[in-house]
Amino acid sequence: EVQLVQSGAEVKKPGESLKISCKGSGYSFTNYWIGWVRQMPGKGLEWMGVIYPGDSRTTYSPSFQGQVTISADKSISTAYLQWSSLKSSDTAMYYCARSEKEAAGRGDFWGQGTLVTVSS
Amino acid sequence: DIVMTQSPDSLAVSLGERATINCKSSQSVLYSSNNKNYLAWYQQKPGQPPKLLIYWASTRESGVPDRFSGSGSGTDFTLTISSLQAEDVAVYYCQQYYSTPKDFGPGTKVDIK
Repeated sequence: EVQLVQSGAEVKKPGESLKISCKGSGYSFTNYWIGWVRQMPGKGLEWMGVIYPGDSRTTYSPSFQGQVTISADKSISTAYLQWSSLKSSDTAMYYCARSEKEAAGRGDFWGQGTLVTVSS
Repeated sequence: DIVMTQSPDSLAVSLGERATINCKSSQSVLYSSNNKNYLAWYQQKPGQPPKLLIYWASTRESGVPDRFSGSGSGTDFTLTISSLQAEDVAVYYCQQYYSTPKDFGPGTKVDIK
């Protein structure tokens, strides 16, 4: 059974760093893209970027380039989304999603989401 | 960037009636080398992650009821729910995965009339 299990909810202060995770199981982790999608409270879906764990190729949306870092550790089948200095505007639900190789960015299977709250 | 728009923003349909959602991309998402439209539809219910319904504009994901269908090509696409059921109340998003950023449409909320 394919599973994407994301790390738990986080409450952080502005300026703090954060790394959330998405662990894949039940499939060959290195043969599928993993992407990240933001959903701010009461809002729509925003595509952030993707990584191909097989060779670590990464593509970002210009809206998120430089604001976050996407990485993966294929030895433990886990992808990450990282901030070096959080802002209150980063408060959102973050989803990871798996994509087939020929369809990078399309979310075939989704994690349960990680709620990030940034507040002083 | 390819801009995705959806219409209407929301609609209310009686149980058993048809619901139609439109999605338009600012540029074609049809890849000529394989004749595939890089367009997907998702359903998101409150408190849940999105669920893939349709990909390549018209291919139904495994397990998705056949009352859901997708059509269109190039820049204009439609998601149709042929006979609305109570469990179809959700927000529906289209997404292009033709080029980066692989953005979503703003969403269409579907309710029961």
